[in-house]
Amino acid sequence: DAGVIQSPRHEVTEMGQEVTLRCKPISGHDYLFWYRQTMMRGLELLIYFNNNVPIDDSGMPEDRFSAKMPNASFSTLKIQPSEPRDSAVYFCASRLGATGSRTQYFGPGTRLTVL
Amino acid sequence: QKEVEQNSGPLSVPEGAIASLNCTYSDRGSQSFFWYRQYSGKSPELIMSIYSNGDKEDGRFTAQLNKASQYVSLLIRDSQPSDSATYLCAVRESGGYNKLIFGAGTRLAVHP
Repeated sequence: DAGVIQSPRHEVTEMGQEVTLRCKPISGHDYLFWYRQTMMRGLELLIYFNNNVPIDDSGMPEDRFSAKMPNASFSTLKIQPSEPRDSAVYFCASRLGATGSRTQYFGPGTRLTVL
Repeated sequence: QKEVEQNSGPLSVPEGAIASLNCTYSDRGSQSFFWYRQYSGKSPELIMSIYSNGDKEDGRFTAQLNKASQYVSLLIRDSQPSDSATYLCAVRESGGYNKLIFGAGTRLAVHP
C-alpha cells in the first residue's frame, strides 16, 4: 500500500493568498483526519471525516479554513486568505473504522510557510 | 479542556540504557492510549498502544498504564542512537471514540 499521500510537500505563499492542501487516504480507510503541528501548540486535530462526511470540525481555527471530502479517496484543506500565523506542518491521517485496528496512519505532511 | 501533559525534554540517555518517558492525562474516562514516535521532519508513527492497566511489551518497548493515577509511560530498553526522536503520547477522548488528544512530545536523545 502506498500509504497516505499528501501534496504538495512544501508550500510557500504570501499573506492573503489561497492555499489548498490535498490528501489521498489509504484505500479502504473510512476515517480521515486533518492535523496541524506547530512548535507552540503541538499536534492539533482540525477536522475529521467518516465516510466522506465531516463529523467534527471544532478544531478548525476560523472561517478562513475549510475542508472537503468529495469522495473516499480525496480530501482538501483550504485556507483563504492565508496569514503568517497559519505557517505550520499540516498532516492528514486515515484509519479503518469499527472493524479495524483503529490505528491512525499519518501522511508525510505539508510544510506551509506564509510570508 | 482535555489535556495530555509530557515533559518536553530533551531526555538524554547513553546508548544501552533504559529511557523512561512519562505522560499524564486529564480525561478520566479515556480508555485507549498510544505512543507515537516522530523523527525530525517526519510524520508521527505509532509504536505502541495500550488499553488495560499494567504493562504491555513489544520488543524493546514497554508501555505502562495506570488509569487510577491517569498516567502512561513508555520504557525503551537497550536504547540506540536510532531511537533519538520525539515521542508523542496520545489519548483517545472519552465518548467520541475517534479523537486523539496529543501531548506536546518528549524529545529523546540517545548518545553513543
